[in-house]
Amino acid sequence: AQKITQTQPGMFVQEKEAVTLDCTYDTSDPSYGLFWYKQPSSGEMIFLIYQGSYDQQNATEGRYSLNFQKARKSANLVISASQLGDSAMYFCAMRGLSSGSARQLTFGSGTQLTVLP
Amino acid sequence: ETGVTQSPTHLIKTRGQQVTLRCSSQSGHNTVSWYQQALGQGPQFIFQYYREEENGRGNFPPRFSGLQFPNYSSELNVNALELDDSALYLCASSSNLASGANVLTFGAGSRLTVL
Repeated sequence: AQKITQTQPGMFVQEKEAVTLDCTYDTSDPSYGLFWYKQPSSGEMIFLIYQGSYDQQNATEGRYSLNFQKARKSANLVISASQLGDSAMYFCAMRGLSSGSARQLTFGSGTQLTVLP
Repeated sequence: ETGVTQSPTHLIKTRGQQVTLRCSSQSGHNTVSWYQQALGQGPQFIFQYYREEENGRGNFPPRFSGLQFPNYSSELNVNALELDDSALYLCASSSNLASGANVLTFGAGSRLTVL
């Protein structure tokens, strides 16, 4: 079984500042992928960044980076230089990659980020 | 390329009725997954279709059923609607899910309200 825990229901950040959204996970799969999605009020889930469990380096995509600490089972999302348009719900998710693993994403409960002007 | 489109965007039903939600997958994608997202929660996996067959299912009762068509579009059917079925239903498409970095592309969802 897989489990994602996001302990911050809501976060506030000042525009142009950096913010870290926490995510911890639990899985018995030796190989897995970790994802972050953004969900604005429109409802569509927008992919932000991916980290494979065997990737040696932390993933980065523009202003997004993933602070992956495998031993601590954490995959925190760092957003640099926050913008007003970053205000949204953010979900951490994972998927097992081993042979026989279920292919669906398991999501956390999300963190509502509000960027203040 | 067009993304994932879902219809209808909003609908209201009463308990006991049946509903069909539709999804057109992104061009080039052959796998479709459906997720249920209750208010204030993360999405929950319902099932997945590949080559017109269900090849994965979450913890949902049989009254949740689906179809995938030769053009990879999909339907989600829910019979005997219950109040707890009120949620945002998200469709996601992808190509080869055997690839770890394979990303699911989501639609904007169909918001179902059951009265």
